[in-house]
Amino acid sequence: RKEVEQDPGPFNVPEGATVAFNCTYSNSASQSFFWYRQDCRKEPKLLMSVYSSGNEDGRFTAQLNRASQYISLLIRDSKLSDSATYLCVVNSGGTGGFKTIFGAGTRLFVKA
Amino acid sequence: DGGITQSPKYLFRKEGQNVTLSCEQNLNHDAMYWYRQDPGQGLRLIYYSQIVNDFQKGDIAEGYSVSREKKESFPLTVTSAQKNPTAFYLCASTLDSAKAIYFGEGSWLTVV
Repeated sequence: RKEVEQDPGPFNVPEGATVAFNCTYSNSASQSFFWYRQDCRKEPKLLMSVYSSGNEDGRFTAQLNRASQYISLLIRDSKLSDSATYLCVVNSGGTGGFKTIFGAGTRLFVKA
Repeated sequence: DGGITQSPKYLFRKEGQNVTLSCEQNLNHDAMYWYRQDPGQGLRLIYYSQIVNDFQKGDIAEGYSVSREKKESFPLTVTSAQKNPTAFYLCASTLDSAKAIYFGEGSWLTVV
């Protein structure tokens, strides 16, 4: 089992749709969680951190469920510019230092 | 401006040559990383360093070497032993396990 697993893509949605991505992680001691966005041929960029209480940034909502070991990202009112690959990222600490694990990413296509 | 600078952005290498990719950060981050990304694929960790003068192999370290002589610098050498080096190389850094990881703009390496 991979340490971080994401929904297989691609997701094809019309403009204005609501789309949700899920991500599961295997290390129960994981400490911090993030969603990144990567455009084609560009570097990944931080979209938002994910907190246990859930957090919202405009049309984007991220949630963490530690008991079930998954995080989610909800995009409301999708725009054409939301088309990208969304990466789930999990940080885990340990005696040898910490590790940053990336999911493989889920591609989103928003169509007019 | 604070950030991570990678150079060169595009590099062509002849088979059998070693090349070095530069990565400099002025964010005062302790940890630095090198990832490789092939077209349509996820990120794969090559090497990482959590303190100066120390670094660890990632998942695909064979054919690569690094050094961390200064906190702000983490150069990656792609050696002739790397059989298929054509890829997008991303350098990243973070302050600690609770914080997000930030990327440079990447370097495209092509073997000709």
